[in-house]
Amino acid sequence: AQSVTQPDIHITVSEGASLELRCNYSYGATPYLFWYVQSPGQGLQLLLKYFSGDTLVQGIKGFEAEFKRSQSSFNLRKPSVHWSDAAEYFCAVGASGDMRFGAGTRLTVKP
Amino acid sequence: DAMVIQNPRYQVTQFGKPVTLSCSQTLNHNVMYWYQQKSSQAPKLLFHYYDKDFNNEADTPDNFQSRRPNTSFCFLDIRSPGLGDAAMYLCATSRGGLSGGIQYFGAGTRLSVL
Repeated sequence: AQSVTQPDIHITVSEGASLELRCNYSYGATPYLFWYVQSPGQGLQLLLKYFSGDTLVQGIKGFEAEFKRSQSSFNLRKPSVHWSDAAEYFCAVGASGDMRFGAGTRLTVKP
Repeated sequence: DAMVIQNPRYQVTQFGKPVTLSCSQTLNHNVMYWYQQKSSQAPKLLFHYYDKDFNNEADTPDNFQSRRPNTSFCFLDIRSPGLGDAAMYLCATSRGGLSGGIQYFGAGTRLSVL
């Protein structure tokens, strides 16, 4: 069965600092991997996705993620965090009709 | 400009009083999903439609039903809401098929049960 683990429930970083959010997955085949962001009271917005090919994928808002098959990971990174990045981040694995989300990581940005 | 639209954004109902949440899409996607998201938790898939084919998750309570009268619209019906059904309900769509996968979400409907 497919599953997603986000080990960090809550992360706090200073504005301008770098960020890495961790995601580990379990999936029987080559996974489709996603990162979504959710601001309070809003729906989920897709940041980036990995289907195949280059294992370093670029997304919106300056985010990137690296797929590492050997570690079953798909960590999200940003070199310099902005206050507006404060939100909940969800990693997801799967394909159409069969997507599983991690429990989410809440990001707080200190001034 | 919005592609997946949920109405209303906030819904208050009484314990046991049926309620319907609405979702529409302008993307012409084959697949429409309903998720339940409780506070500080991941979205939990309730069911989805692939075209007209309804796919219920095994652990979705019978209290939750759905209708998809056409490609653009999908409804979530809660027949007898309980206090535990208070949550954010998210609608999403995707193209479906082997090339599908990306889900596009609406802004959600926050349901309160009094």
